[in-house]
Formats: sequence, structure tokens, C-alpha cells
Amino acid sequence: DAGVTQSPTHLIKTRGQQVTLRCSPISGHKSVSWYQQVLGQGPQFIFQYYEKEERGRGNFPDRFSARQFPNYSSELNVNALLLGDSALYLCASSSLAGGLYEQYFGPGTRLTVT
Amino acid sequence: GQQLNQSPQSMFIQEGEDVSMNCTSSSIFNTWLWYKQDPGEGPVLLIALYKAGELTSNGRLTAQFGITRKDSFLNISASIPSDVGIYFCVGGGFKTIFGAGTRLFVKA
Repeated sequence: DAGVTQSPTHLIKTRGQQVTLRCSPISGHKSVSWYQQVLGQGPQFIFQYYEKEERGRGNFPDRFSARQFPNYSSELNVNALLLGDSALYLCASSSLAGGLYEQYFGPGTRLTVT
Repeated sequence: GQQLNQSPQSMFIQEGEDVSMNCTSSSIFNTWLWYKQDPGEGPVLLIALYKAGELTSNGRLTAQFGITRKDSFLNISASIPSDVGIYFCVGGGFKTIFGAGTRLFVKA
């Protein structure tokens, strides 16, 4: 079975622009979470969606938004990009069987804001 | 907000040595998990713990969920070069919290 896939792999944007990152979960997983990982730090929780409903939100500004589609794939949108948004954005999927806590991560999207 | 204190920040060991790292928090978690991250990749789940006092093994890895539910440790026995990477403890709950990571370096 395919693991979690993310696109694009790398992205370069300019300050003030908007970006959309995409994630496809493992087949059968209905929950998707998004994380931001700045170089040298642990991932920071942004959102979790389960069955298309937002289940949890981390301490990120309203410039960050996400949604989950009927096929359980997800998009993360970031508006008005700042230099500090440069990071690796990780998507993880999980299933109810694992308590939604046992998360399987994709390889990430490396976002660079110039 | 909730924070996890993970230590040590880094470890330099010889192949064959045992490794121990731990994680503490001022908050209670219902679930503790340990992940490993290799360069350029997403974290990979190593062990999940669901009950206070639970001791779980996965090959050469052993982890325990602290009785107070505020801490956890991970042991790696007989380290090998492929154990190199960053190990993260994770508190599972309404908001999943990652520790800052322990960077493990293994010298052959």
C-alpha cells in the first residue's frame, strides 16, 4: 500500500504570496494532520481533520487554513506568506483503530519564502 | 501552553552501546509515542504507549509510559550505525505535542 503522499516536494514563494500544499492519506485512514517543522526543531501541530471536520488546531495565525475532502485528502493553505513561514510542512494520517494518535507521516513539502 | 522537555539534546556513542533518552512534561498525556526522523524524511512511528506504567518493546527499542503520565523514556540496546537520527517523544491528545528531539550519533 502507498504511504502518505505530499505535493509539491519543494516550493519557493515570495513574501505576501499564498501557497497551497496537498496531502493524500494512507488508504483507509480518515484523519489527516498538518505540522510545521522549522530547521532544528520538532514538528509543531497546525491542524487535525477527521471525517472532514476540524478536530484540533494549534497556535497558528488565521493565515493558516486547511480542509479535508470527501476522499480524505487534504489541503493546507497559507496566505500572506512571511519569511518565518519557511519550513518543512509535514502531513500525517491516522485511523480510528490507532486512536488517531498513531500517525504516519509523509516526506513533507519544503517551503522557502524569499 | 503544553511543552515537552526532551533530554539529552544530543548523544555521541560507540556502536554496541546502550542508549537512554527521556521526556517530561508539566501536563498529563493519555498517550506517549516515540518517533525517529532521518534527514529529508518524515518521522516514523517507533512505539506507542497507552497506559500509565506500560512497558513496550519493539526489537532493540524499549519505551515506558511513566506512572504519573507526565513522562516517558526510550532505551535502545546494542546500538548500530543505522540508529543515527533524531528521536522525538510525542504527547498525544487534543493537540499533539512533539519534544525538541534527541540527536543520536553512532560511531562504528
